[in-house]
Amino acid sequence: EIVLTQSPATLSLSPGERATLSCRASQSVYSYLAWYRQKPGQAPRLLIYDTSIRATGIPARFSGSGSGTDFTLTISSLEPEDFAVYYCQQRNNWPLTFGGGTKVEIK
Amino acid sequence: QVQLQESGPGLVKPSQTLSLTCTVSGVSISSGGYYWTWIRQHPGKGLEWIGCIHYSGGTYYNPSLKSRLTISLDTSQYQVSLKLTSVTAADTAVYYCARPTSQGVGNNAFDIWGQGTMVTVSS
Repeated sequence: EIVLTQSPATLSLSPGERATLSCRASQSVYSYLAWYRQKPGQAPRLLIYDTSIRATGIPARFSGSGSGTDFTLTISSLEPEDFAVYYCQQRNNWPLTFGGGTKVEIK
Repeated sequence: QVQLQESGPGLVKPSQTLSLTCTVSGVSISSGGYYWTWIRQHPGKGLEWIGCIHYSGGTYYNPSLKSRLTISLDTSQYQVSLKLTSVTAADTAVYYCARPTSQGVGNNAFDIWGQGTMVTVSS
C-alpha cells in the first residue's frame, strides 16, 4: 500500500500568514492526490483533488501543486476557519490511503 | 442536495458484529454509478479507507479488513450497509460514509460525507 507522509506535523502561524503543507508518497501517485480540511467534531471537507483542482465552493486562497511523489497545499492567507487539521489522500492505488495529517494552529 | 446519514449502535462487544447503515437522500443510490464508500477515523488519529460498493454490486475492500467486512446496498431503502465481524478495541472509531467526486470510479476523492457515527468496542 502507498504510504503518505505529511509534514510538518504541526504548523504554528498567525491569521493572514501563508501556510505551506507537504505530502510525500512512498511511490508515484501521478497527479491523483487530494487534500481535506477537518475541523474538530466535523467530517473532513474536500479542498483540492487531482493535485490542483479546487472542489466546489473552495476559495481561491487554497492551491495545490506537485506530481509523482511530492505535493504541496498552499493557503495564501490564513482565515480563522483554516486553523484545523489537513489530510492528503491518494487515489492511484488500492487501497486508498490518507496521510497522518498536519495541524495548523494559531501562533 | 445529496446528504448522507450514518446510524448504528454506539457500543459493540468484542467478538461481535458491527453493523452500520448510511441513509442517502437527495439522489438514488442506484443511479449515477457512484461507488458508495466507508471511511473510519480512530480517536485522535488519521483516516482509514474501509471499502466501497457500486450499485451493480461491485466492491473494493481494504485488504486489512477484507476477511471481516461486507458492504451492501439496499436500493429500495436508499441505504448502504457495513458489517464488520469479530470486532476488537482496534475497531473503535468514527465511521463515515462518503460519496466520490465522480461516477464510475471507485478510486476517487470524496466531496460528500456524512457526519459520522462513533462506535466503541468494549465489554
